[in-house]
Amino acid sequence: GQQLNQSPQSMFIQEGEDVSMNCTSSSIFNTWLWYKQDPGEGPVLLIALYKAGELTSNGRLTAQFGITRKDSFLNISASIPSDVGIYFCAGPLTSGTYKYIFGTGTRLKVLA
Amino acid sequence: DTEVTQTPKHLVMGMTNKKSLKCEQHMGHRAMYWYKQKAKKPPELMFVYSYEKLSINESVPSRFSPECPNSSLLNLHLHALQPEDSALYLCASSQGPPPSYEQYFGPGTRLTVT
Repeated sequence: GQQLNQSPQSMFIQEGEDVSMNCTSSSIFNTWLWYKQDPGEGPVLLIALYKAGELTSNGRLTAQFGITRKDSFLNISASIPSDVGIYFCAGPLTSGTYKYIFGTGTRLKVLA
Repeated sequence: DTEVTQTPKHLVMGMTNKKSLKCEQHMGHRAMYWYKQKAKKPPELMFVYSYEKLSINESVPSRFSPECPNSSLLNLHLHALQPEDSALYLCASSQGPPPSYEQYFGPGTRLTVT
């Protein structure tokens, strides 16, 4: 079935470093959502993207809607310990339906 | 305010018990969702209510029974669950359907079936 693949699966970084991760699909998406989830908590929406090529920032986070509409990217600048968590991309499987699917997740660990 | 609340935070139940999970939002959102999330996995869609009507049921076993009493509330009734149903159950809401609307999640209910 349809799947969103995230890369890398996990990463250790030093505090202060920049982080990049991506999400790819075999089919076109019209919306990309990026979430962060802490252990035992619900996902928190970070950034929403609606247009191919769109670049949107939220503080130290910047996300881009790939021009092919089959991928999206999330960058975190100057990482801090509280950036630890799992980052998920998500999108509606079919435009106009409520059926969202989630990516496989990128687990981020920050070394102080 | 983008708050979705869920109760209880934790629930332990036996396989013969009946229990309910509750979800509430006051953002005026017209779509509400139930997801199931196993450890180290992404959330998986279970049900969607749109304008208080069941819009999507992802072939969920009948031991899970959703209910939407009004536009702000969403319940998930549980009966005769199995240990493999232990998971984090997440509620979410959105103003309307994608692609134009963002989806917001509650903190989840950690369910353990013994």
